[in-house]
Amino acid sequence: EPEVTQTPSHQVTQMGQEVILRCVPISNHLYFYWYRQILGQKVEFLVSFYNNEISEKSEIFDDQFSVERPDGSNFTLKIRSTKLEDSAMYFCASRRTGGRSPLHFGNGTRLTVT
Amino acid sequence: DQQVKQNSPSLSVQEGRISILNCDYTNSMFDYFLWYKKYPAEGPTFLISISSIKDKNEDGRFTVFLNKSAKHLSLHIVPSQPGDSAVYFCAASAVDNYGQNFVFGPGTRLSVLP
Repeated sequence: EPEVTQTPSHQVTQMGQEVILRCVPISNHLYFYWYRQILGQKVEFLVSFYNNEISEKSEIFDDQFSVERPDGSNFTLKIRSTKLEDSAMYFCASRRTGGRSPLHFGNGTRLTVT
Repeated sequence: DQQVKQNSPSLSVQEGRISILNCDYTNSMFDYFLWYKKYPAEGPTFLISISSIKDKNEDGRFTVFLNKSAKHLSLHIVPSQPGDSAVYFCAASAVDNYGQNFVFGPGTRLSVLP
């Protein structure tokens, strides 16, 4: 069964550094998302992306965050200058259509900012 | 701002019995609801969904019930198996919202005891 893949599985970085989290969504999916889960807290929406542009973003997704679909397969999340509070599991998700179709998640990247 | 609530952080059930997980929502614009299961170190896995035009959807051992007037949904697992032990997330979305963000509840940890 096709799946969403995320790399790396674990990223450790120093505060102030830039990180890029990578995702390969399911190949025929058109809608892409990033969510995060801080340890012990709920899964929080960051951003949705469709037709090569951001369709919605949350308050968390400030100017330090950006997303890109640089080619036909990858979907990346960049954090420009990481803060301690960015430490979390970051989940990429995709779905085939809009409307009533479910999100399919990758296994996440654990980001640790020291 | 808890638009999706799961008031039971944990639930323990004997193997073979029914597990009932509950979810409440506040946003009347939500019209598509999903349940996800999450094991440690993995991403959420889609289980079952329901549209607001239905009040029940069944898939094998999993049944979701929706009570729109009460803004309440529940997931029934019967019979429960030890492999069902995981964190279960309820999620909701407003289909006509262009960005179609999915809002997640805080999760309920289900333990199925052998």
